[in-house]
Amino acid sequence: DSGVTQTPKHLITATGQRVTLRCSPRSGDLSVYWYQQSLDQGLQFLIQYYNGEERAKGNILERFSAQQFPDLHSELNLSSLELGDSALYFCASSVFADSRSSGNTIYFGEGSWLTVV
Amino acid sequence: AQKVTQAQTEISVVEKEDVTLDCVYETRDTTYYLFWYKQPPSGELVFLIRRNSFDEQNEISGRYSWNFQKSTSSFNFTITASQVVDSAVYFCALYTGTASKLTFGTGTRLQVTL
Repeated sequence: DSGVTQTPKHLITATGQRVTLRCSPRSGDLSVYWYQQSLDQGLQFLIQYYNGEERAKGNILERFSAQQFPDLHSELNLSSLELGDSALYFCASSVFADSRSSGNTIYFGEGSWLTVV
Repeated sequence: AQKVTQAQTEISVVEKEDVTLDCVYETRDTTYYLFWYKQPPSGELVFLIRRNSFDEQNEISGRYSWNFQKSTSSFNFTITASQVVDSAVYFCALYTGTASKLTFGTGTRLQVTL
């Protein structure tokens, strides 16, 4: 158990809908990352928050948005869903903002399986 | 640009065999970090190891060992006396300050059979 908690574990929704994925980081971790894993794209970095502020942005679509709340949990909102958005979405957390910091290991949650039908 | 190459898509071995998973990385950063993660069939990503670019010491943890060679930009992972429970997809990943993110390889699927 990595200590990173993601909900829901599985989600099936229709095209055009909107969903929210939730993540609670490990206790003491200030940084939260979101990754998408799909068969054709592999593991892709979406976005990172550190202590409530957006820190880095990757290949995140405009239909997707995220935020990190004062209690450090994070939500990833996916809207106007398309079939191609079906994927495993991972949340990860670390203590520091920057993985160059000594001891800054990034731990991943179990993922949220999203199926768009 | 940062890149991680795991040329072995799939490896099959019989239990108790040793197996090495290859990882080759590309970066222009002089300071970087390399990771290995395991993804079992259940789907979660399990952290295995983190290695700094300035520490070329090899590491051993039980049946697992890692060989970091800066000269060849490789960070290979060896499982000794493999077990069925080692069956999973293994990912190598690179973190650099320039990219500010973990860049993953495409993964190597390891199948260990009896």
